[in-house]
Amino acid sequence: DAKTTQPPSMDCAEGRAANLPCNHSTISGNEYVYWYRQIHSQGPQYIIHGLKNNETNEMASLIITEDRKSSTLILPHATLRDTAVYYCIVLSYSGAGSYQLTFGKGTKLSVIP
Amino acid sequence: DTGVSQDPRHKITKRGQNVTFRCDPISEHNRLYWYRQTLGQGPEFLTYFQNEAQLEKSRLLSDRFSAERPKGSFSTLEIQRTEQGDSAMYLCASSPRGLPETQYFGPGTRLLVL
Repeated sequence: DAKTTQPPSMDCAEGRAANLPCNHSTISGNEYVYWYRQIHSQGPQYIIHGLKNNETNEMASLIITEDRKSSTLILPHATLRDTAVYYCIVLSYSGAGSYQLTFGKGTKLSVIP
Repeated sequence: DTGVSQDPRHKITKRGQNVTFRCDPISEHNRLYWYRQTLGQGPEFLTYFQNEAQLEKSRLLSDRFSAERPKGSFSTLEIQRTEQGDSAMYLCASSPRGLPETQYFGPGTRLLVL
């Protein structure tokens, strides 16, 4: 499985953009990068995913470097409700039928008023 | 609400008792996953169903754990003879056919074994 490296914590001022980095230097050419977040005591919430191109949806933008070894999740205008643990995951086929998600420790984002 | 639902949301039990959790996936999602999350850690994969077939089990799933998805719709996870180490959040996720596979999680069942 391709491993990911994220900073353990980050702060962001309310209303500013939050830029969450992730390194995935061993990613293979056909593996997708997924981002989930988990607000305290809730199930993980899907945010966005990408392969090579940058992606944007109503929640966030995902910027993937040309060599695909790193990516950045951008929350354009962070609010207090964005305070959560953010997980960067490389989706890999297990070889036994599943695309199980391998969660690391993620980045704890604290949005400050 | 058409998301993944789990029942119960909380369960407190005494060591040695059996517990069963239920997961109702998003309608027409043929893939279903169970994960376990202990305090301060990310979720860890337990088992995977495609329709009613259980295709993969983690080594974390000891013989006290059993999961079923009898008609390819809802799923149950049973833990027999619970131990204090089973205390965790049990999460269910479902995903539709096709690739890439995006999994949508339920709210989880928090288990406390006394």
